[in-house]
Amino acid sequence: DSGVTQTPKHLITATGQRVTLRCSPRSGDLSVYWYQQSLDQGLQFLIQYYNGEERAKGNILERFSAQQFPDLHSELNLSSLELGDSALYFCASSPPSGSGSGSYNEQFFGPGTRLTVL
Amino acid sequence: GQSLEQPSEVTAVEGAIVQINCTYQTSGFYGLSWYQQHDGGAPTFLSYNALDGLEETGRFSSFLSRSDSYGYLLLQELQMKDSASYFCAVRDGGNYGQNFVFGPGTRLSVLP
Repeated sequence: DSGVTQTPKHLITATGQRVTLRCSPRSGDLSVYWYQQSLDQGLQFLIQYYNGEERAKGNILERFSAQQFPDLHSELNLSSLELGDSALYFCASSPPSGSGSGSYNEQFFGPGTRLTVL
Repeated sequence: GQSLEQPSEVTAVEGAIVQINCTYQTSGFYGLSWYQQHDGGAPTFLSYNALDGLEETGRFSSFLSRSDSYGYLLLQELQMKDSASYFCAVRDGGNYGQNFVFGPGTRLSVLP
């Protein structure tokens, strides 16, 4: 158990719909990252938040958005869903820089949310 | 563009040693990490190299050569439980933004 929690574990929805995925980082971690992993694909970095502020953006579609709240939990919103959005969505967190040599390079992944778009 | 290359599959027998290579082309470089992912599971961190050389953690070691944009993960005394996918990842942002680019993964099969 990494200490990162994600809800829901599974989500089945229809094309055109909107869903929200939730992530709670490990206690003390300020950074949250979102990744998409399609079937037999690698991990695609979507976005990073640090203490409520967007810090880095990867291959995130305009239909997707995220935010990190004052209690540090994060939500990933996916709208106008398409069949190709079906994937595992992982959230990860890492300690703040300065908390240990290179420690912020270690990401702790949650169990993921499996999204199926029908 | 940014890309990482890894072999797609590697097969070895229990007790053997296997090396998984990773070459990268990224706009920035702040370190190379390795993650293990079992089927249906979440990635788990194995190692991180910021400087050239070898880092050893138990049965696993990781090597980096920044001049060659190359690294590898060395797994020794292979066990059946090591059967998993292994991903290299480059952090191409500084402390402010940390964009991690992951490789496509190498599926390791350990045979009895």
